[in-house]
Amino acid sequence: AQTVTQSQPEMSVQEAETVTLSCTYDTSESNYYLFWYKQPPSRQMILVIRQEAYKQQNATENRFSVNFQKAAKSFSLKISDSQLGDTAMYFCAFASYGKLTFGQGTILTVHP
Amino acid sequence: GAVVSQHPSWVICKSGTSVKIECRSLDFQATTMFWYRQFPKQSLMLMATSNEGSKATYEQGVEKDKFLINHASLTLSTLTVTSAHPEDSSFYICSATSGGSGPLDEAFFGQGTRLTVV
Repeated sequence: AQTVTQSQPEMSVQEAETVTLSCTYDTSESNYYLFWYKQPPSRQMILVIRQEAYKQQNATENRFSVNFQKAAKSFSLKISDSQLGDTAMYFCAFASYGKLTFGQGTILTVHP
Repeated sequence: GAVVSQHPSWVICKSGTSVKIECRSLDFQATTMFWYRQFPKQSLMLMATSNEGSKATYEQGVEKDKFLINHASLTLSTLTVTSAHPEDSSFYICSATSGGSGPLDEAFFGQGTRLTVV
């Protein structure tokens, strides 16, 4: 079974600053995806970024980037130039065969 | 990306009644659908996995007789909460995958259903 751990229940950052959200996971599988999802108050799950485990290059998506350390089973999310609209709950997730295992979530608040 | 539509977005029902939630894949055939439950400010917990044409696989601790899942076609899965009680009030989210990529199948989420049992 897979486990995903987010050790930061809450984080805050000033607008335009950079923040990093942590995530570690445990699995015995070799092929899988890792995701970061954003869940605003509407509770719609919004895909932020994904990383295929077989790719060594860290994924980037505009202001969002990850630091994927496969050996350490670590998958952190860096948000650059934080914006007020980034305020939300963020979930790290492990995926294999479409089935997702989520971390506990991190509530991120961006302050003006 | 692929579109998954979940209906209704929110529902209020009386204690003891049943409520059905639909999850539809609009532009792809979903061989597998997943149902998650989320309590306020908590994570999403997988309830069950359903494959088209076969019985759903429930996670440990999920009552299969209370949460009936039907995946009768490649575009529709339904979750029926039977004899609902206030403790069943929660946010239910489905996701769907088209299969074919093995471990790297990507799942697409519906918008979720907020169930309130009064």
